[in-house]
Amino acid sequence: QKEVEQNSGPLSVPEGAIASLNCTYSDRGSQSFFWYRQYSGKSPELIMFIYSNGDKEDGRFTAQLNKASQYVSLLIRDSQPSDSATYLCAGTSYTGTASKLTFGTGTRLQVTL
Amino acid sequence: EPEVTQTPSHQVTQMGQEVILRCVPISNHLYFYWYRQILGQKVEFLVSFYNNEISEKSEIFDDQFSVERPDGSNFTLKIRSTKLEDSAMYFCASSGRQGNNQPQHFGDGTRLSIL
Repeated sequence: QKEVEQNSGPLSVPEGAIASLNCTYSDRGSQSFFWYRQYSGKSPELIMFIYSNGDKEDGRFTAQLNKASQYVSLLIRDSQPSDSATYLCAGTSYTGTASKLTFGTGTRLQVTL
Repeated sequence: EPEVTQTPSHQVTQMGQEVILRCVPISNHLYFYWYRQILGQKVEFLVSFYNNEISEKSEIFDDQFSVERPDGSNFTLKIRSTKLEDSAMYFCASSGRQGNNQPQHFGDGTRLSIL
């Protein structure tokens, strides 16, 4: 069973702080990882993706991937109240025709004033 | 910015009835997906579709489910005889090309309520 694991939270951080969200995965065949943000009752919204070991930065967001440890993380700098949402980590394995996403349960982030 | 659109936003159906959920993927995308999310649970893969045929399907996607691309723009999910446990949010997604690093973009979803 291919699993993506996340701490459900809530993770509470004060406004302006760095939020660190973590994800582990069991399938060594997973090649790319995606971070989605999901507000309550809404659809997943893509934040960023990473497929190489190391860090990838996009604005206030930094994704980190360590394939040896099977670990993915998302850092959110200068957290804002509008960042309060559930963050979904998803891994994908390319089967030759299409890639399906395997999602974790998500981590709920609360940014407090 | 191009987006995936889904209709209806909310569908209420009696158990045993057929339901069709509709999606218009991003226009130049070639890979289409359906996912579902039962309230309070994780997003689950149902099926992927490319070149007018199913690429992969999950255990959830049994004989009661079918997908179709009836024309050049729509992508539909049909549930033939709905069950109470089919109540969930159903998300359509699309991506542009093959490969692991192609992000999937999600529609706003259809909330399916089975009575």
